Amino acid sequence: GENVEQHPSTLSVQEGDSAVIKCTYSDSASNYFPWYKQELGKGPQLIIDIRSNVGEKKDQRIAVTLNKTAKHFSLHITETQPEDSAVYFCAASSNNAGNMLTFGGGTRLMVKP
Amino acid sequence: NAGVTQTPKFQVLKTGQSMTLQCAQDMNHNSMYWYRQDPGMGLRLIYYSASEGTTDKGEVPNGYNVSRLNKREFSLRLESAAPSQTSVYFCASSTIGTGELFFGEGSRLTVL
Repeated sequence: GENVEQHPSTLSVQEGDSAVIKCTYSDSASNYFPWYKQELGKGPQLIIDIRSNVGEKKDQRIAVTLNKTAKHFSLHITETQPEDSAVYFCAASSNNAGNMLTFGGGTRLMVKP
Repeated sequence: NAGVTQTPKFQVLKTGQSMTLQCAQDMNHNSMYWYRQDPGMGLRLIYYSASEGTTDKGEVPNGYNVSRLNKREFSLRLESAAPSQTSVYFCASSTIGTGELFFGEGSRLTVL
């Protein structure tokens, strides 16, 4: 089955700096790659996703890049703000797996004011 | 719109006790899921229900049972709780094809 590795497990940045979280996946059939943000005491919430026919996608201060050849994808947050502090999860799925998501282990991002 | 509602939010059990986690969604979604979240291990799928009347095992189904009561409700039962089932449990729902999961706020379970 699919295996998703996520790095780093914790990331501390100064407000205004950029943050990058990286994920690798094992199943070459995976074609959907979402990112979820989990705030303290809440359930995860989708913030951005990308499909395998696209190399990059942006939404205001966040962007996701995908390299299918290398089987890795990354989340980029620019001009970080304290409210970006949360746990971020990457995930991958494929039609072959019934579109079931396999999640990475999570990254705790701390943005220091 | 409440979205996905889970009860209870907190529960402490003794080893061997049983309990049921309840989940309901009001978004008319077809698919529902139960995940567990453990430190450093992300979210792991326990069971899912692609549509009303069907249920299937996920990655970590041992020790759990589920019931899709109707389109809105999907419950998770622990028949004989074990300390290894101490975790935070999340229910989620989705429409077919969109890929986006909508999560509840979680149920924190401690088994002593």
